[in-house]
Formats: sequence, structure tokens, C-alpha cells
Amino acid sequence: DAKTTQPPSMDCAEGRAANLPCNHSTISGNEYVYWYRQIHSQGPQYIIHGLKNNETNEMASLIITEDRKSSTLILPHATLRDTAVYYCIVRADTGRRALTFGSGTRLQVQP
Amino acid sequence: ETGVTQSPTHLIKTRGQQVTLRCSSQSGHNTVSWYQQALGQGPQFIFQYYREEENGRGNFPPRFSGLQFPNYSSELNVNALELDDSALYLCASSPRTGGNEKLFFGSGTQLSVL
Repeated sequence: DAKTTQPPSMDCAEGRAANLPCNHSTISGNEYVYWYRQIHSQGPQYIIHGLKNNETNEMASLIITEDRKSSTLILPHATLRDTAVYYCIVRADTGRRALTFGSGTRLQVQP
Repeated sequence: ETGVTQSPTHLIKTRGQQVTLRCSSQSGHNTVSWYQQALGQGPQFIFQYYREEENGRGNFPPRFSGLQFPNYSSELNVNALELDDSALYLCASSPRTGGNEKLFFGSGTQLSVL
């Protein structure tokens, strides 16, 4: 699986959009971009995933650049409950099913 | 629909002992994975079980072993515990759809080895 690079920490004001970047410059054609988050003392929680096109669900939006070498997770209106570590993961749709977690980005939503 | 449940939530063992951690997968999920998360780090893949057989393994020694039962629940066994085994152990279940299945994680078992 391709390696990802994320900033170690970010702050965001409550009610504002949180934009979390991820670099995955070695991504292959069959690899998807996944985002999970981990709130303190809980297991990781799936947020969203995508291949080429931008994706949106009830939790967030995922913007993937045209060359697929980077992506941005957008939380449109961050709340205090969004304070968590956010993991960007690249995974192929075949073969090994494991998720390879990096260190993630610690997002602190400020009141 | 019940989520992934793990037991116990906390456990203290001494070096050299053996431990068994348990996981009940989410209803309808036939694949279970185990992850180890050391303090301040992301989870690391240990192994995965599908239809009661190991179906992939990370870089962990043989003293980490597992089982999956017909009801898809699972156990993680660790023999000859070492101090570095102290970590949060996470279980995740997923339906085996052959595609981009999401993983659903439990809250984990916090293991302390003294």
C-alpha cells in the first residue's frame, strides 16, 4: 500500500470548516483513499473513501486531486465532538485487506 | 444491530504470562481483523480471519495467534507476554464483499504488561 503523509496536528474553530490534507504521491491506479478517525478511548471510525471522484456523505467530503497524489478531507461545520485523530489510508481493492495506519493528524476543535 | 464488542476492556498481566482477548463481530460480518495500537501511534495490523481461517498476517511473531468461531466471533491469544506487548488491542469486523468493505472497530482492550 502507498505511504501517506499528514500534518501531525491542526486546530479549527467550532462551526468552521476543517480541511485536513493528505499526500499520497506514490498511489497506484487500483488504490483507494480512505479516511478514518479515532476519538479518544474509542476504536477508529470509518468516515469516507474514494478512488478518483470527489465524494460526500453525511459526515464529510473527500476531495481528490486530478493526479490523485493528494486529497483533502473536509468537515463542513466542525463541532467539539469532531476533536480526534484523523487517519488517511491508501488501500488497494484486492489482495491484502489490512489498513495501514500512519500517525494521523490530531484535530483540535476550539470553542 | 449490535456493533463490535470486545472483552475485557482492561487487563493487567505480568511478563511471561498468556492472555486471551475476545471479540464479537457486528451482525452479518464474517471477517475479523485484529490490530495493536501502542501509545501515541496508529493501529498496526496483526492478522485477519475469514471463515475460521487466518487470511493475512502482519509483522507479528507466532506467539500472537487467533481463532475465529462459526458464529464469526474471534479470540486473540498472546503467549509469553513481553513488556512491549502493552497496548490497546482493537478488533474490527467487516462483511466480505470482495470490494471496498469498511471496517467497524470495537473500543478495544487495554492490556498492561508489568
